[in-house]
Amino acid sequence: DSGVTQTPKHLITATGQRVTLRCSPRSGDLSVYWYQQSLDQGLQFLIQYYNGEERAKGNILERFSAQQFPDLHSELNLSSLELGDSALYFCASSVDTTDGYTFGSGTRLTVV
Amino acid sequence: GQNIDQPTEMTATEGAIVQINCTYQTSGFNGLFWYQQHAGEAPTFLSYNVLDGLEEKGRFSSFLSRSKGYSYLLLKELQMKDSASYLCAVSLMGYSTLTFGKGTMLLVSP
Repeated sequence: DSGVTQTPKHLITATGQRVTLRCSPRSGDLSVYWYQQSLDQGLQFLIQYYNGEERAKGNILERFSAQQFPDLHSELNLSSLELGDSALYFCASSVDTTDGYTFGSGTRLTVV
Repeated sequence: GQNIDQPTEMTATEGAIVQINCTYQTSGFNGLFWYQQHAGEAPTFLSYNVLDGLEEKGRFSSFLSRSKGYSYLLLKELQMKDSASYLCAVSLMGYSTLTFGKGTMLLVSP
């Protein structure tokens, strides 16, 4: 157990639907990062939150949004889902990058 | 933008030594990370290099040359459980996000 908790582990949904992925960071970590991993693209950075505020944005689609709550857990909302959104979604947390990130076990999203 | 290159696949034999290379082109480079990822699992941190030179951690070592934009991960005394994808990632000065390469799939055979 890495200390970063992601739920659900698996999610199957239909095109056009909306889902919410949840992440609880390691105790003491203020930063949360969301990544998407598909077979052909590798790990793609989506968005970072630090202590409740958006800190950095990567290749995140307008259909996707995220937030970090006062208790530091984060949610990634994916809407108007398309087949191409099927991927592993990882959350990671850190104190600072000299120790690297700690990743959660991921949510496997399948859009049918 | 940033460009990170790694070989797609490598094969090696149990007990051998393998070197996985990573080259990067980026402005504002700060440091380089290596992660290991088994299929369907989360990436796990292996090493971090910010200065030139070799960092050794047990069977794994990582090397960085900032002037050449080059790093390698050296795995010694390979074991079957080392079969995994190895991800090279860079961080930029002033930012805590990491940009990952596509990973090198290492297959260790008996």
